Amino acid sequence: GAGVSQSPSNKVTEKGKDVELRCDPISGHTALYWYRQRLGQGLEFLIYFQGNSAPDKSGLPSDRFSAERTGESVSTLTIQRTQQEDSAVYLCASSLAGETYNEQFFGPGTRLTVL
Amino acid sequence: TQLLEQSPQFLSIQEGENLTVYCNSSSVFSSLQWYRQEPGEGPVLLVTVVTGGEVKKLKRLTFQFGDARKDSSLHITAAQPGDTGLYLCAGAPMDSSYKLIFGSGTRLLVRP
Repeated sequence: GAGVSQSPSNKVTEKGKDVELRCDPISGHTALYWYRQRLGQGLEFLIYFQGNSAPDKSGLPSDRFSAERTGESVSTLTIQRTQQEDSAVYLCASSLAGETYNEQFFGPGTRLTVL
Repeated sequence: TQLLEQSPQFLSIQEGENLTVYCNSSSVFSSLQWYRQEPGEGPVLLVTVVTGGEVKKLKRLTFQFGDARKDSSLHITAAQPGDTGLYLCAGAPMDSSYKLIFGSGTRLLVRP
């Protein structure tokens, strides 16, 4: 596709359940990022992939959060044992390279609601 | 921890007025970007500034990067209702330029 796509667009889950969020980056973009955006706030960095490896996971809030990327393409963000404070919009972005100017292209996000 | 403070948080103005949004930090950034975000969508890049003192113009929008590369401003001339949205600044740290540190955003409403 022409842009970054994410699925699902909305996810409602019960506290304690696991969720998987998917990101399809722009074809050819080697760098991929996950961010979290709480209501009315800016974006909080979660993790950065260069190719299939994640040199920076420093933004993951706890060990309940994990992410993987395969084929230098699709990435999945998994949240285990979801808590109400995990409710937010999770945004994925990709860029041509992880260095220099770092112009990132964002997907529409997945709105996660934990009841 | 590197922070970007953005102000004001909210701005409601009449069509035709001018406005300025500020983004400040105590840290130096290798580059700074401005994004605009509409409800239900991801942020869309407006501009990237790289050189201290740089000024870039995009139609009625003027972006400036501070001389010390610690702050930036976005000025909109003769605002229109179509300018309504959330404006976000984001800086790339010197030691980890792959990462973007985002400000908390300025929510702009332009009333017709």
